[in-house]
Amino acid sequence: AQTVTQSQPEMSVQEAETVTLSCTYDTSESDYYLFWYKQPPSRQMILVIRQEAYKQQNATENRFSVNFQKAAKSFSLKISDSQLGDAAMYFCAYRSANSGYALNFGKGTSLLVTP
Amino acid sequence: DTAVSQTPKYLVTQMGNDKSIKCEQNLGHDTMYWYKQDSKKFLKIMFSYNNKELIINETVPNRFSPKSPDKAHLNLHINSLELGDSAVYFCASSERGGLSNQPQHFGDGTRLSIL
Repeated sequence: AQTVTQSQPEMSVQEAETVTLSCTYDTSESDYYLFWYKQPPSRQMILVIRQEAYKQQNATENRFSVNFQKAAKSFSLKISDSQLGDAAMYFCAYRSANSGYALNFGKGTSLLVTP
Repeated sequence: DTAVSQTPKYLVTQMGNDKSIKCEQNLGHDTMYWYKQDSKKFLKIMFSYNNKELIINETVPNRFSPKSPDKAHLNLHINSLELGDSAVYFCASSERGGLSNQPQHFGDGTRLSIL
């Protein structure tokens, strides 16, 4: 089974600064997909960004970007110009045919944004 | 226009009771899922259905039984509730598994509390 590891249980960033959340995964597959989901206190699961493993170009969505290193099996999330509304739990997730297309989640990183 | 709706949002009940959580999606998706989020916020897949057919059944007690009357609905029945069943249960849906870069859309979760 694929393992997704988020080594930072908690992170803190000041408003307007940049923060990077780390994620590594373990797989023997070549075709898979990676996602970052955000869960604010309201407990909704909100898709932040996604990356196809076959694409070399890193995905970006406005202030959110990823650093995808396939050989190192690393998928970090960078949040630029952090805002108070970015405070949430962030989950890294892996998906592939062998997982039945279900999401395999890391344990999450709690992000605190300070004024 | 809620895409994935779960009812109820909160469920408080006593040990030993039988309860159901309903899930409906209006996105026309073929695949639906149930995830469990424990007290440490860890999210884990329980079941996945594709066109009303079970495709994932993780190691979940037999007391949990999903039922899919049609591809827009995936309900979760839990018999003989135990204290350890207390968690937040999320329903999700996605387009058919082959398009696995497509994100899963989550419901708002059902917080189940066992007294």
